[in-house]
Amino acid sequence: GENVEQHPSTLSVQEGDSAVIKCTYSDSASNYFPWYKQELGKRPQLIIDIRSNVGEKKDQRIAVTLNKTAKHFSLHITETQPEDSAVYFCTAMDSNYQLIWGAGTKLIIKP
Amino acid sequence: GAVVSQHPSRVICKSGTSVKIECRSLDFQATTMFWYRQFPKQSLMLMATSNEGSKATYEQGVEKDKFLINHASLTLSTLTVTSAHPEDSSFYICSARERGGLGQPQHFGDGTRLSIL
Repeated sequence: GENVEQHPSTLSVQEGDSAVIKCTYSDSASNYFPWYKQELGKRPQLIIDIRSNVGEKKDQRIAVTLNKTAKHFSLHITETQPEDSAVYFCTAMDSNYQLIWGAGTKLIIKP
Repeated sequence: GAVVSQHPSRVICKSGTSVKIECRSLDFQATTMFWYRQFPKQSLMLMATSNEGSKATYEQGVEKDKFLINHASLTLSTLTVTSAHPEDSSFYICSARERGGLGQPQHFGDGTRLSIL
């Protein structure tokens, strides 16, 4: 079945700098990759997603890239702000249409 | 749009009590809802997938007699933790997938923090 690996587990960046979180997946049949942001004790919120027919998608300060050949996808946050501090999860939708979750990345924005 | 309401947000009860958690999609129809469990500092673990009008599909290792799921309508699914014990204490989160295709996004409820004394 599908397996999603996510790195790093913790990422600390200076406010205003960029943050990059990387994920890999194992099932080449996976074709939908949503990213979720979860603040402490709260629900995961969908922040951006990408389907396998595109290589990049951008929404203001957030962008996601997908390399189908290498089975890599990444989240890029530019001009980071304190409110970006949270745990970020990458996910991949497997052939059973279930989301397979990465282990999460705790993003810390230092003032 | 795409709001999922989950109640209650927090439950504290004695061991042996059964606890019911509701998950509602408020502004869309959800043919499929998902129940997750999340331990501190860990990722979400899928417990079961619930389809409207049919029996839930449980993940390996999840006891179906322990975690009863009912998905009676396109907007409501319930999870009942039967005879709860301290090891059942966790953060339970539901999500609902929008109707219109299996590749639609999932939207999450606020979660229920269950504490069994």
